[in-house]
Amino acid sequence: GEDVEQSLFLSVREGDSSVINCTYTDSSSTYLYWYKQEPGAGLQLLTYIFSNMDMKQDQRLTVLLNKKDKHLSLRIADTQTGDSAIYFCAGTALGGYNKLIFGAGTRLAVHP
Amino acid sequence: GAGVSQSPSNKVTEKGKDVELRCDPISGHTALYWYRQRLGQGLEFLIYFQGNSAPDKSGLPSDRFSAERTGESVSTLTIQRTQQEDSAVYLCASRKTNYGYTFGSGTRLTVV
Repeated sequence: GEDVEQSLFLSVREGDSSVINCTYTDSSSTYLYWYKQEPGAGLQLLTYIFSNMDMKQDQRLTVLLNKKDKHLSLRIADTQTGDSAIYFCAGTALGGYNKLIFGAGTRLAVHP
Repeated sequence: GAGVSQSPSNKVTEKGKDVELRCDPISGHTALYWYRQRLGQGLEFLIYFQGNSAPDKSGLPSDRFSAERTGESVSTLTIQRTQQEDSAVYLCASRKTNYGYTFGSGTRLTVV
């Protein structure tokens, strides 16, 4: 089955770029997602990437996928204090409605 | 409705009592998922339903946990004889296509 791993904590200065990394084990993972969770709130889908893509950009967010190394990253440009949250990487395999497998989450702290 | 609705938002129960958590998915979403998130941890898959197919119960931690869903409508997650270790946020998500999981805000369960 799928296993997803993330580093647990990242601290960046406001205005710098943040890079959150994720590795996964299931090479058949078809869709890979990034979710954001703010304190006391639910999960917000930030972006996703299909496995036949290497990169996806959406405003300040850039997702890079290295299928060979099974490595996914999320880059947040010009990080703001409002970006402070927990970021979850998740993957699912092809086959209709397979379940999402989540990493443990990376806590991003943005300081002045 | 516009989003996934979960109720109650908070539940405090005494150890040994049964609890029932409810999830109203987005209309037309055929797949429905339950996850558990313990304090400071990632999301743990519990169960998912897809249409009228047999549910995937592989994530249920014990036989005290059960869930039902009729067709593509409401789902209930029941925890019998609750234990303190069951304290967590229980999140529900629904999905229509191969991407676009939408999560509810969760039910925070506290067993005292």
